[in-house]
Amino acid sequence: DAMVIQNPRYQVTQFGKPVTLSCSQTLNHNVMYWYQQKSSQAPKLLFHYYDKDFNNEADTPDNFQSRRPNTSFCFLDIRSPGLGDAAMYLCATSRDRDVQYFGPGTRLTVT
Amino acid sequence: SQQGEEDPQALSIQEGENATMNCSYKTSINNLQWYRQNSGRGLVHLILIRSNEREKHSGRLRVTLDTSKKSSSLLITASRAADTASYFCATDQAGTALIFGKGTTLSVSS
Repeated sequence: DAMVIQNPRYQVTQFGKPVTLSCSQTLNHNVMYWYQQKSSQAPKLLFHYYDKDFNNEADTPDNFQSRRPNTSFCFLDIRSPGLGDAAMYLCATSRDRDVQYFGPGTRLTVT
Repeated sequence: SQQGEEDPQALSIQEGENATMNCSYKTSINNLQWYRQNSGRGLVHLILIRSNEREKHSGRLRVTLDTSKKSSSLLITASRAADTASYFCATDQAGTALIFGKGTTLSVSS
């Protein structure tokens, strides 16, 4: 089945230790998104790739970076995680600006 | 920036009852979408309504859109325990990605 896959599902990292979250999709969608969702809050868009074009939200901290080496994969890099970065990170894909399909998320814990 | 605001923030009902959630937004939109999120999971798309549509149905779901009032409602009829989840509206403004509201947490007890 076509889907959005996120790895790992759970990630524990130490304060200040770089961490990379990955997302892959078999939907062949041209747009991929990364959201941060903290407990009982709305998903907050960090950035998205429209094809190869990177679109960063104005309030996304510089600590967060992303890479999209090809259509199927997208990575979220957190260069120096702080305690405030503990959250669920959601990847989503869409065909142009249509319906978004979400992965199951990666829950990040920072110790 | 926040675009959609759901109301109520939390809703508790019994199985078989209807659940209504409302969403208000601030600027013109291309479409409005509703998503469901079970605890600790990703979001699942429920329904999309375009700015030129007023009502849309999908199974037990009914969505209305009033662009003059900048508001939408999601009605779940004959609710089930499995409907327990958080429900988010998200708006698609021209040239931007979706902006999600804060969500309504629905609890359906049997």
